[in-house]
Amino acid sequence: DTAVSQTPKYLVTQMGNDKSIKCEQNLGHDTMYWYKQDSKKFLKIMFSYNNKELIINETVPNRFSPKSPDKAHLNLHINSLELGDSAVYFCASSQGMSLEYFGPGTRLTVT
Amino acid sequence: GQQLNQSPQSMFIQEGEDVSMNCTSSSIFNTWLWYKQEPGEGPVLLIALYKAGELTSNGRLTAQFGITRKDSFLNISASIPSDVGIYFCAGHPTPDSNYQLIWGAGTKLIIKP
Repeated sequence: DTAVSQTPKYLVTQMGNDKSIKCEQNLGHDTMYWYKQDSKKFLKIMFSYNNKELIINETVPNRFSPKSPDKAHLNLHINSLELGDSAVYFCASSQGMSLEYFGPGTRLTVT
Repeated sequence: GQQLNQSPQSMFIQEGEDVSMNCTSSSIFNTWLWYKQEPGEGPVLLIALYKAGELTSNGRLTAQFGITRKDSFLNISASIPSDVGIYFCAGHPTPDSNYQLIWGAGTKLIIKP
């Protein structure tokens, strides 16, 4: 009965590869997010979708492309991975603008 | 982008001590949220504040929404080892129409052995 789940938990890959991270929420929320947490633990929002519509698109490289097939899923695809992409990526969801519930994170390591 | 000023950056405390941390902003905020993140996990919401002056408790945790709407504090009474982690403040600035939370940089709480 996990509220927000992400796969994979760990992802180790080489520079130049393309990878995807999947996120699912079973809370019935209408808004989902992707956050990046760097090594200094700063949390930075990347994208937000409300009812499958992109509403926040922060300044991130266009190698990052979110996809929301339905309200319960928000996936993140990353092309041509770079060393600087190494971080922990968190998916989150909320009902409207109220609270945000976070997934357990995906630790991406690019070598 | 905009970021909240959260202090202190880290705290070393003895078990049983009270802890206090705060967040300030140069602009007015509509909501204040406090989260805790443990190693290897995502942030977990502790307390949500929606009105200026609001004081809310969650067990040994107490948080307040500042009267000026530009600050908030979180207190932890009688700390225990499981309180260790990183505490983040976050809030919705007003006017806010884009679902975006603004985050502090976190306060790392460490309990001295």
